Amino acid sequence: ETGVTQTPRHLVMGMTNKKSLKCEQHLGHNAMYWYKQSAKKPLELMFVYSLEERVENNSVPSRFSPECPNSSHLFLHLHTLQPEDSALYLCASSQDWGRGLQETQYFGPGTRLLVL
Amino acid sequence: AQSVTQLGSHVSVSEGALVLLRCNYSSSVPPYLFWYVQYPNQGLQLLLKYTTGATLVKGINGFEAEFKKSETSFHLTKPSAHMSDAAEYFCAVSDSNAGGTSYGKLTFGQGTILTVHP
Repeated sequence: ETGVTQTPRHLVMGMTNKKSLKCEQHLGHNAMYWYKQSAKKPLELMFVYSLEERVENNSVPSRFSPECPNSSHLFLHLHTLQPEDSALYLCASSQDWGRGLQETQYFGPGTRLLVL
Repeated sequence: AQSVTQLGSHVSVSEGALVLLRCNYSSSVPPYLFWYVQYPNQGLQLLLKYTTGATLVKGINGFEAEFKKSETSFHLTKPSAHMSDAAEYFCAVSDSNAGGTSYGKLTFGQGTILTVHP
């Protein structure tokens, strides 16, 4: 247990569906992240939130919409996804964002998404 | 721009043998370097990290890595493999320059799957 939980662990959705992924951290951290892990590709950073403000958006398609209502919760809203969006979506948190000494990121177990 | 190359997508060793997972990086500024491990159906867990100071870094589960600036490498080693070490290992680099565009971001390698045979 890393103190970061994600639900659901598995999700199958059609291209016309709307679904949301949830991440919760119990570590008192101020920064939260969404990553995409596809087969045979490096982890891709999607979004970063620091103190509930989005500070990074790595050219992610608009069919992915993040939301950070407070420093403990992070959502990824999904709509009209494509089959190539099938991947493991990992949430992470760290004490702060962008400090001089890189903060360790703590990862959740991920949500395995399959888009049909 | 930063990049990470992990040589060998799969490494297989016998139990008790030396583990060596290779990582080379590219960075225009002094890097911060990390090794993460991912067990099946789990997220990533930090094994060790190098920021400044001693170039030989010790981590959890008996792993260590040495930062070699001249070789731009940060290879991960463990003297004696255990069955429980079977997992996927990721090397990552972060920009230490506060003025850099990659500051605070982790760039990951493609991962190396370690298999340990009895």
